[in-house]
Amino acid sequence: QQQVKQSPQSLIVQKGGIPIINCAYENTAFDYFPWYQQFPGKGPALLIAIRPDVSEKKEGRFTISFNKSAKQFSLHIMDSQPGDSATYFCAATQGGNKLVFGAGTILRVKS
Amino acid sequence: DAGITQSPRHKVTETGTPVTLRCHQTENHRYMYWYRQDPGHGLRLIHYSYGVKDTDKGEVSDGYSVSRSKTEDFLLTLESATSSQTSVYFCATEMALNTEAFFGQGTRLTVV
Repeated sequence: QQQVKQSPQSLIVQKGGIPIINCAYENTAFDYFPWYQQFPGKGPALLIAIRPDVSEKKEGRFTISFNKSAKQFSLHIMDSQPGDSATYFCAATQGGNKLVFGAGTILRVKS
Repeated sequence: DAGITQSPRHKVTETGTPVTLRCHQTENHRYMYWYRQDPGHGLRLIHYSYGVKDTDKGEVSDGYSVSRSKTEDFLLTLESATSSQTSVYFCATEMALNTEAFFGQGTRLTVV
């Protein structure tokens, strides 16, 4: 049972494009929604995170959009670069521990 | 990698043998976690720890045990390895709840 459903599984965009990765959750008690970026052979690293009291958060070229009523959140990468090619995971947690991860999206940005 | 070292980085073992993976951190973080990563499943929590000798089960704990005798070390043991435990295992640490979780480089375990 996947508590956080992530789509698409993989995504190819041209350099400068805006890839969008979507996640949906069921547990309304989740109160922290981070996104992690993972390069091959490395562990995941926190990219950006949001709490349900805001609808959008931007950090550099990365933006999270959050829709509490729809129980969905998404990651947008503005002006994507080949160096953004990685696997992206959305996650959620209730009470601050035991992160629940989506299945991951493999992003490839073509130069 | 926030001072997290996993060992070994790669291991091949036979079905039925016990295996112990080690996670060592130098950040004095209170919370430590073991995840496994499999294609199509993302990362799934195996066990976690809130402090020394304080551990609990995660989503996929069957066949695994953990120990934390010191703040800096969190050991994951596969009592009798099975092929279904072939995976990449990640250790993570967190200073406080709802803060950034830092991950190690992972251990690739193959059970043959």
